Amino acid sequence: NAGVMQNPRHLVRRRGQEARLRCSPMKGHSHVYWYRQLPEEGLKFMVYLQKENIIDESGMPKERFSAEFPKEGPSILRIQQVVRGDSAAYFCASSPDRTGDTEAFFGQGTRLTVV
Amino acid sequence: AQSVTQLDSQVPVFEEAPVELRCNYSSSVSVYLFWYVQYPNQGLQLLLKYLSGSTLVESINGFEAEFNKSQTSFHLRKPSVHISDTAEYFCAVRAGQGGKLIFGQGTELSVKP
Repeated sequence: NAGVMQNPRHLVRRRGQEARLRCSPMKGHSHVYWYRQLPEEGLKFMVYLQKENIIDESGMPKERFSAEFPKEGPSILRIQQVVRGDSAAYFCASSPDRTGDTEAFFGQGTRLTVV
Repeated sequence: AQSVTQLDSQVPVFEEAPVELRCNYSSSVSVYLFWYVQYPNQGLQLLLKYLSGSTLVESINGFEAEFNKSQTSFHLRKPSVHISDTAEYFCAVRAGQGGKLIFGQGTELSVKP
């Protein structure tokens, strides 16, 4: 059973371009969480999705950021018109359900660099 | 809403010394508590978790954490650290009804020979 797969591992974008980060959850997992890790900071929650639904997007910036988790295929975190401040590591986690005692499994992350 | 505070951003220790990484949380509802470890350029791996029952939980590599409800703490300890324990450690809380994990700022453990 493969773990949570994120791609690409590294992504370089010029200011103003779009960044698309992909996350394939573990087999059987229908809940996906996205986090952002800035240098010298902890993990900040961004968005929580279940298949075809956004459950909690309280951590998402109001502009330029969007996320989806379609019925088929990976979850996508999309950042439009990237700026230097978007440079960070973006981690995806998945779990089989939303109950509080369920472990969330993390991917290796996508390191976005905006130049 | 829940929040987590890790009181030490960096903890340098010598090999074979004991270590304690501190974590305090706040929540108005019942919570589950987790410690994750992140090695350089890697994702997070679960180290241990407190769900219910015994307040002392242990990991397979010698770490332990004690849930203290009155002090709202979940400190991580190891009696004798190894060089390979060098990593960043994150404390996290999740509300009893589920949903997102809330993380602390992380503690960088640096074990020196």
